[in-house]
Amino acid sequence: KAGVTQTPRYLIKTRGQQVTLSCSPISGHRSVSWYQQTPGQGLQFLFEYFSETQRNKGNFPGRFSGRQFSNSRSEMNVSTLELGDSALYLCASGGLAEETQYFGPGTRLLVL
Amino acid sequence: SQKIEQNSEALNIQEGKTATLTCNYTNYSPAYLQWYRQDPGRGPVFLLLIRENEKEKRKERLKVTFDTTLKQSLFHITASQPADSATYLCALEGGSNTGKLIFGQGTTLQVKP
Repeated sequence: KAGVTQTPRYLIKTRGQQVTLSCSPISGHRSVSWYQQTPGQGLQFLFEYFSETQRNKGNFPGRFSGRQFSNSRSEMNVSTLELGDSALYLCASGGLAEETQYFGPGTRLLVL
Repeated sequence: SQKIEQNSEALNIQEGKTATLTCNYTNYSPAYLQWYRQDPGRGPVFLLLIRENEKEKRKERLKVTFDTTLKQSLFHITASQPADSATYLCALEGGSNTGKLIFGQGTTLQVKP
């Protein structure tokens, strides 16, 4: 089975812009979670989608949003980018038990 | 709120020795705990999951213990190899039937030949 894929892998944006990141989960997985990883804060949970519905949400401002499509692919959007949004954004998909999370390689976002 | 603590300092050991990493948590009673490995620039990779009713779990050279009284998990790598050098992350489940995980900051392990 192919693993979790994320596009793009690298992205450079300027403050005030918006960005959309994409994630394709492992085939058959219906749960997709998004995490932000920074050196200072570590891995922080953004939100989780299951069957096109947001099931969990972390403590991030409303500028961070996401959605999931009927084929389980997910996108996350960050509007009005700030310098502090520079991070590695990781997507993870879960199987039936949804206990173990399978992570993608991440999208490295740099905000200038 | 839940808090997870891992040794923030890097752990340096000699090849062949056993590496022991610690994960402590507070304000929570997780149904399970997981350990992940992360290499630079890559996503975390699942290693082991241990449930609250399990004391110990093994997988090849890896061993995890879970003490719900002490609120602590220990992660051991026996006969360590330079290829084991990576950052190891402890994660607690963030709620039943959910994919949400709460991660510790991770401990970087360096195995020297």
